[in-house]
Amino acid sequence: GAVVSQHPSRVICKSGTSVKIECRSLDFQATTMFWYRQFPKKSLMLMATSNEGSKATYEQGVEKDKFLINHASLTLSTLTVTSAHPEDSSFYICSAQTALDGKLFFGSGTQLSVL
Amino acid sequence: GESVGLHLPTLSVQEGDNSIINCAYSNSASDYFIWYKQESGKGPQFIIDIRSNMDKRQGQRVTVLLNKTVKHLSLQIAATQPGDSAVYFCAELRNTGNQFYFGTGTSLTVIP
Repeated sequence: GAVVSQHPSRVICKSGTSVKIECRSLDFQATTMFWYRQFPKKSLMLMATSNEGSKATYEQGVEKDKFLINHASLTLSTLTVTSAHPEDSSFYICSAQTALDGKLFFGSGTQLSVL
Repeated sequence: GESVGLHLPTLSVQEGDNSIINCAYSNSASDYFIWYKQESGKGPQFIIDIRSNMDKRQGQRVTVLLNKTVKHLSLQIAATQPGDSAVYFCAELRNTGNQFYFGTGTSLTVIP
C-alpha cells in the first residue's frame, strides 16, 4: 500500500515554543491531506483539510493561527503548533488521499507533550 | 445528527476464532468505505475498502460486507491471531465531497 511518512514520532517541548510536524506521501501524489488530533481511546478528530497550493480549511473550533498548515507540494504538508501549551498535548495524525483512486492513508502519528 | 457508529465498543475472541466487527452509518449518500486497524501509539493502518456498487470484498483473512439497505458495514477477520488485537474503525466517504467520517472504534482483544 501507499506510504505516508510523518515526522517526528514524538516531541517534548516547553510551553510557549512552536513545533512543526511533517507529513509526506512517499510513493504517490496526494490531492488532499488531512490533520487530526486523537485523545486516548477516542476516535480521530479532524482539525483541517489542506489542498496543495491553497489555504487549509479548518474545522469549527480549531484556531487557524494556532495550528498553521502549509501544503507546499503534492507530497508534503506541515502542521505547526504555535506557542504550544500543555492543553495542546495530544497525538496528532496526518492522512493523505491519493490522486489516483481517492484512497486515504495515514501517517504513523506524532505524540506531542508540552511541559 | 448523522454519524458513523459502531455497535460494540469492545470485542474479545479466542485465538483461532473468527471475528466480526460492525459499523452502522446513517448517510445514504456515502459511497466509499474503508476499514482501519490502529494499534496503540500508532497511526491507523488501511485494511480493506469497498465501494457502494459492491456488497462484498475479500482480502487476506479479511472480508468486508456492505448492506446498503440497512446501512451496515462489517469486517470479518478469519482465524483471529494475537497480532490482530487493536482498535478497528470504519470510515465513510460521502459522495458530496472528499470528507471522510470516522466511527468511534471497536477494541478487539484476542485471547491466546
